[in-house]
Amino acid sequence: AQSVTQPDIHITVSEGASLELRCNYSYGATPYLFWYVQSPGQGLQLLLKYFSGDTLVQGIKGFEAEFKRSQSSFNLRKPSVHWSDAAEYFCAVGDSTGFQKLVFGTGTRLLVSP
Amino acid sequence: NAGVTQTPKFQVLKTGQSMTLQCAQDMNHNSMYWYRQDPGMGLRLIYYSASEGTTDKGEVPNGYNVSRLNKREFSLRLESAAPSQTSVYFCASSEQAISLYEQYFGPGTRLTVT
Repeated sequence: AQSVTQPDIHITVSEGASLELRCNYSYGATPYLFWYVQSPGQGLQLLLKYFSGDTLVQGIKGFEAEFKRSQSSFNLRKPSVHWSDAAEYFCAVGDSTGFQKLVFGTGTRLLVSP
Repeated sequence: NAGVTQTPKFQVLKTGQSMTLQCAQDMNHNSMYWYRQDPGMGLRLIYYSASEGTTDKGEVPNGYNVSRLNKREFSLRLESAAPSQTSVYFCASSEQAISLYEQYFGPGTRLTVT
């Protein structure tokens, strides 16, 4: 079965510094991969998605992610973090067994320090 | 265009009480989902409805029932609430014919069972 691992529970980054959030997936074929962001007290918003093609995908709010098949990874990056980026970030993979569903990682909470 | 709406936003129940969480979407999506979010566990799928008239169990269905009332509405019922059901509940919808796996989320219902 598909699974997603986000090894970092919390990450603290200084405002203006670069960010990389890690995501590893387990899937036999080419995966459908997603990053969602959840601001405090809000629902989840899609940041970006990877289906096929170019392994570097651009998303909203200046985020990007790179699909690396050899490492089974789909890490999220941002060159310069803003205080408003403080949120929880979820990586997800499409589960094609039966009906098409999403399998989520446990999330990484990003704290931004001044 | 409100997207996915959920009511109520907050609810406190006593053990053994029942309640129904309401969800509606105005995007004409075929598929709808109910998740629960608990600290350190990410989002876990409770039930989903692939299309109007069908419902299926997800990862954690015990203690819940659902109704897909029509294409727009998908409700989640707790017949006899237990403290273990204290959680944040999210409804989501998707249209597989347009974008595989991509889901749109409501703002959530925070439920406390005492």
